[in-house]
Amino acid sequence: GQQLNQSPQSMFIQEGEDVSMNCTSSSIFNTWLWYKQDPGEGPVLLIALYKAGELTSNGRLTAQFGITRKDSFLNISASIPSDVGIYFCAGQLYLEYGNKLVFGAGTILRVKS
Amino acid sequence: GAGVSQSPSNKVTEKGKDVELRCDPISGHTALYWYRQSLGQGLEFLIYFQGNSAPDKSGLPSDRFSAERTGGSVSTLTIQRTQQEDSAVYLCASSLNKNTEAFFGQGTRLTVV
Repeated sequence: GQQLNQSPQSMFIQEGEDVSMNCTSSSIFNTWLWYKQDPGEGPVLLIALYKAGELTSNGRLTAQFGITRKDSFLNISASIPSDVGIYFCAGQLYLEYGNKLVFGAGTILRVKS
Repeated sequence: GAGVSQSPSNKVTEKGKDVELRCDPISGHTALYWYRQSLGQGLEFLIYFQGNSAPDKSGLPSDRFSAERTGGSVSTLTIQRTQQEDSAVYLCASSLNKNTEAFFGQGTRLTVV
């Protein structure tokens, strides 16, 4: 079945630093989504990407849908303490019956003390 | 409501008892997903609904797990004869149709003692 490899698994950030994470797969996806999850909450959608090669920004967040449709990255510029949390990529596959939504294992962002 | 609503938010049950978890999707959303998230882990797909039918049940871990959706709206996930390994956060998500992004509820934290 489809699997997503998300990296890094975790990272420490210092306020003001830029952060980058990515997802790769051996499968092609129709849509790539990036979510953030805070403790005790459900994942919140950050960015949705619908076209290969698409580069989309949402404030300090920038994400790209890889040209091969098999990968995506998320960049966070000038990180702030509230960026801490778990970030998930998700690949969406349009099937005849509906939809398959596959998640990466997540990237944990922590604050460097 | 404005978002996906799940109830209860927390559930503690004794091993061997049955539990029902409820999901109210965003009004008008035809697609509905159930995922399970164990402590510190990623999202494990359980079942996908398109309308009232469930064309993808491939993620249900055993025949103790079942789900239904009525009226194209509310969904109930039932776990029979609960085991300790069923302890997790159960997340529900909905999307407007099969080819749009999914939005998550806050989850139900299930603890089997």
